Amino acid sequence: NAGVTQTPKFRVLKTGQSMTLLCAQDMNHEYMYWYRQDPGMGLRLIHYSVGEGTTAKGEVPDGYNVSRLKKQNFLLGLESAAPSQTSVYFCASQKFRDTQYFGPGTRLTVL
Amino acid sequence: GDSVTQMEGPVTLSEEAFLTINCTYTATGYPSLFWYVQYPGEGLQLLLKATKADDKGSNKGFEATYRKETTSFHLEKGSVQVSDSAVYFCARINSGNTPLVFGKGTRLSVIA
Repeated sequence: NAGVTQTPKFRVLKTGQSMTLLCAQDMNHEYMYWYRQDPGMGLRLIHYSVGEGTTAKGEVPDGYNVSRLKKQNFLLGLESAAPSQTSVYFCASQKFRDTQYFGPGTRLTVL
Repeated sequence: GDSVTQMEGPVTLSEEAFLTINCTYTATGYPSLFWYVQYPGEGLQLLLKATKADDKGSNKGFEATYRKETTSFHLEKGSVQVSDSAVYFCARINSGNTPLVFGKGTRLSVIA
């Protein structure tokens, strides 16, 4: 049981480049989330999904897109990276009204 | 709307000191309440939870009681260790498809 995994663990991009972060969970959870955490800050919700094929905006969705084509995967895309998107990105999954399980994070630097 | 307010840090304690981190929540619905912990360089992990009023969650010597009358879920530990140094997040979730709502986090440093 791997839990929640994130790929990649680290990435450096140049301004304007694009990339996709992959989150995978093997717990058959309906709900999945993408957060960002800036240094010394709390979590901010980017997008989330309450089931396969559904997505919704969180607190800070601008500059990001997501897709949930399979129940176990939740992808976060940056179409044109900006330095303001330098952050640590966490994915999480959850059963209804229960504990959220977090991945180890992806550290992204945009130069 | 739904919110969680926790005490601002950082909190610095000596080893074996008593710890309290305050957390209050807005009284909408019947939320489940959680404490998460984030060790340096890692993701968040569940520390404890409580799903209804008067429930007490406990784990690793930490405790928190769901107090509906004061809308609080304060985290306590009787004797902290250096290994407890981390950031602690209080969180709530209501029914339906609404996401978990986190507090801003409280950084705890325990010195030997």
